[in-house]
Amino acid sequence: GAGVSQSPSNKVTEKGKDVELRCDPISGHTALYWYRQSLGQGLEFLIYFQGNSAPDKSGLPSDRFSAERTGGSVSTLTIQRTQQEDSAVYLCASSPSGYTDTQYFGPGTRLTVL
Amino acid sequence: DQQVKQNSPSLSVQEGRISILNCDYTNSMFDYFLWYKKYPAEGPTFLISISSIKDKNEDGRFTVFLNKSAKHLSLHIVPSQPGDSAVYFCACLGAGSYQLTFGKGTKLSVIP
Repeated sequence: GAGVSQSPSNKVTEKGKDVELRCDPISGHTALYWYRQSLGQGLEFLIYFQGNSAPDKSGLPSDRFSAERTGGSVSTLTIQRTQQEDSAVYLCASSPSGYTDTQYFGPGTRLTVL
Repeated sequence: DQQVKQNSPSLSVQEGRISILNCDYTNSMFDYFLWYKKYPAEGPTFLISISSIKDKNEDGRFTVFLNKSAKHLSLHIVPSQPGDSAVYFCACLGAGSYQLTFGKGTKLSVIP
């Protein structure tokens, strides 16, 4: 079946602009995660959605970052007033029900802020 | 403060030999450990995992060893193949948690 998909695959933007990154999880997976990987770093947890529960936003680095998940499926990560330090690969993952379930990752969106 | 450390950023191994990738962690609350493999321009893919109640888990050419007292785990690949060339991430999970904490990765190059 289809895996996790993300769009766009690459995004180049100017400092100060807003960007939206999209994630389509595997159908039927109730848990969805966003991570980012900055150059030379490991994956950094950003936010977690589980079913209809309130999301865990504890990993979001600033209030310029927000995410929503509509209808328990597609998720959008929004970065407002982008800064150069936001340049990274943003990865989305989903899992059947969270916790120790294996997380399946999408290919990521490479964001470059000029 | 980095909770999961992969101290070798890169490793080169001859085809057919054993590859050993190491990972150290500091958080004693971690009780589930995973290895992910990542090719360029792709997301990480799950490789193998181990629960803290075990000290070894094997899946084909891949074996993960866990030493809880030393807070150390390792991934052994034998025999190594050129297709194994990728970045390998160690990830740790706390009890009842869902937040994977990743190391920075080790780039493995298997030389034909």
